[in-house]
Amino acid sequence: NAGVTQTPKFRVLKTGQSMTLLCAQDMNHEYMYWYRQDPGMGLRLIHYSVGEGTTAKGEVPDGYNVSRLKKQNFLLGLESAAPSQTSVYFCASSYSHGSEQFFGPGTRLTVL
Amino acid sequence: GEDVEQSLFLSVREGDSSVINCTYTDSSSTYLYWYKQEPGAGLQLLTYIFSNMDMKQDQRLTVLLNKKDKHLSLRIADTQTGDSAIYFCAESSYNQGGKLIFGQGTELSVKP
Repeated sequence: NAGVTQTPKFRVLKTGQSMTLLCAQDMNHEYMYWYRQDPGMGLRLIHYSVGEGTTAKGEVPDGYNVSRLKKQNFLLGLESAAPSQTSVYFCASSYSHGSEQFFGPGTRLTVL
Repeated sequence: GEDVEQSLFLSVREGDSSVINCTYTDSSSTYLYWYKQEPGAGLQLLTYIFSNMDMKQDQRLTVLLNKKDKHLSLRIADTQTGDSAIYFCAESSYNQGGKLIFGQGTELSVKP
């Protein structure tokens, strides 16, 4: 099992560009999450999904959109990137709410 | 909203014990977790404790929970250089819909 994978690993964008981060899991988990990690601030939840076709806002959803068209994939989109979105983005999945979350290796995004 | 707080840095000598502390505000927490993040990697679950427990031991790791003071600690016995990493405390509760709330992370540095 690959667990949770994320693509790309690194990306540099210019302000105003758009991009999509892909998260895939092969554990048949219902729940998937997108976090951003900034120095001294821990992980903050952007959006999450409790099953295929569902999405919900987390703590810091502004400037991001998500889609869960297939159970194994959770996409995070930035429509118009801003320097404040420079961060490391982590995807995670879990069997249920409150159970162990399995994390991907992260995507380091820089917005110039 | 609910909050989880940790000190940012801890430095110990190889062979000593490390104690990483965490405080939280959500009185309805059900599970409390310790995650480890090595450089350039995602988070891995180290251990967790259910809120009706006071202590949990797992090899070199001891978790203590003081529910009255909302204080959680992780003790690592015989700390090794391979334990150098960032350690995140997290809590989940039914009030939060089972979502994890993370602390800022404690960077543990182990000196030989």
